[in-house]
Amino acid sequence: GNSVTQMEGPVTLSEEAFLTINCTYTATGYPSLFWYVQYPGEGLQLLLKATKADDKGSNKGFEATYRKETTSFHLEKGSVQVSDSAVYFCARWPSSGNTPLVFGKGTRLSVIA
Amino acid sequence: DTGVSQDPRHKITKRGQNVTFRCDPISEHNRLYWYRQTLGQGPEFLTYFQNEAQLEKSRLLSDRFSAERPKGSFSTLEIQRTEQGDSAMYLCASSWDTNTEAFFGQGTRLTVV
Repeated sequence: GNSVTQMEGPVTLSEEAFLTINCTYTATGYPSLFWYVQYPGEGLQLLLKATKADDKGSNKGFEATYRKETTSFHLEKGSVQVSDSAVYFCARWPSSGNTPLVFGKGTRLSVIA
Repeated sequence: DTGVSQDPRHKITKRGQNVTFRCDPISEHNRLYWYRQTLGQGPEFLTYFQNEAQLEKSRLLSDRFSAERPKGSFSTLEIQRTEQGDSAMYLCASSWDTNTEAFFGQGTRLTVV
């Protein structure tokens, strides 16, 4: 079926550390892939997206590359800041049909100074 | 455009009461989605509309839940005879089409006591 699996948190890092949050998906065809971020007490904000294989989405220093061969879309940032503390959700649209955006369970990131 | 707005932001209700939430999508978006998010989980799909037509409903949407989108603009989500298990954040999102990014509101947090 169509699903998204992300690494479980919480993840705690020191400021300026390197971040990787793993995300893999199962789907037929070529779904569009997204990372959303949710800051405390707020709704979800789109962080970045990729719509086809080998696309790299990037925003605010975060990057993720659509890897069809490994069905992955891992989120990375070279140097995290305290302000990056939030919950990160990987999500995908299916490649066809009317089924909606499907989310992973989320990964909580805490960055300490 | 002020984005997707939801009202109220918080609702506390007694078990057995009915509640109604409102969502105003981004004006040019024809697709509107309702999700439910419980603590520590990713958003779970409830239902969605294309214009005024309700195209899909999740099995999570019991008979006590009903959603409408009259005239294809704002949408309401009603929960009848609320139960404690209905306590969650209810998120609304809109998009121009499938496979394009969905923009989320800040959510309505429901607490059933």
